[in-house]
Amino acid sequence: QQQVKQSPQSLIVQKGGISIINCAYENTAFDYFPWYQQFPGKGPALLIAIRPDVSEKKEGRFTISFNKSAKQFSLHIMDSQPGDSATYFCAAGTGTASKLTFGTGTRLQVTL
Amino acid sequence: NAGVMQNPRHLVRRRGQEARLRCSPMKGHSHVYWYRQLPEEGLKFMVYLQKENIIDESGMPKERFSAEFPKEGPSILRIQQVVRGDSAAYFCASRTGGTFNTGELFFGEGSRLTVL
Repeated sequence: QQQVKQSPQSLIVQKGGISIINCAYENTAFDYFPWYQQFPGKGPALLIAIRPDVSEKKEGRFTISFNKSAKQFSLHIMDSQPGDSATYFCAAGTGTASKLTFGTGTRLQVTL
Repeated sequence: NAGVMQNPRHLVRRRGQEARLRCSPMKGHSHVYWYRQLPEEGLKFMVYLQKENIIDESGMPKERFSAEFPKEGPSILRIQQVVRGDSAAYFCASRTGGTFNTGELFFGEGSRLTVL
């Protein structure tokens, strides 16, 4: 019940295209849903996060869509750039005090 | 303003030896988390500590692994009698507490353990 399922495992998108990564969770106690970006050899860094009181959050080219009834959330990267090539992890947690449960990651490659 | 500092960045051990990984959280952060990342896999929670206290160690293997976050000094993740399956990247993350806490975890660059 603590699992967060992420898809696809890898994604290739042309420059300027839209990258979409999906996650699903089971634990209804989760109320914090961040996305982390990780470059090779580096630690993950917070990209954007959402709480279940809103259905969408946008920051620049990055948007989280959240569907509470389906227990799903997704990351959309608009106008994808080669510099966006990285591994993206969705995660879920409860409140602001507990551990995060991570998805298995999506390796995104943006081609020219 | 230094971020989360982990050392060593790379560590090679032979089977049966001990590995000690250190983590200095960001300044002002009193909450530390350790995660393990196996190749091509996500991050698996291991342990959550506050100063001098283990809050949640539900992800920590019952044997050979221990963690501490003393009043002074870095947090330490200790792996005794390492086996090849312990080879992984170990990430430390920290966050603030109190009213400034947004839930964001700040990660270090990881310690990559290789067991020969």
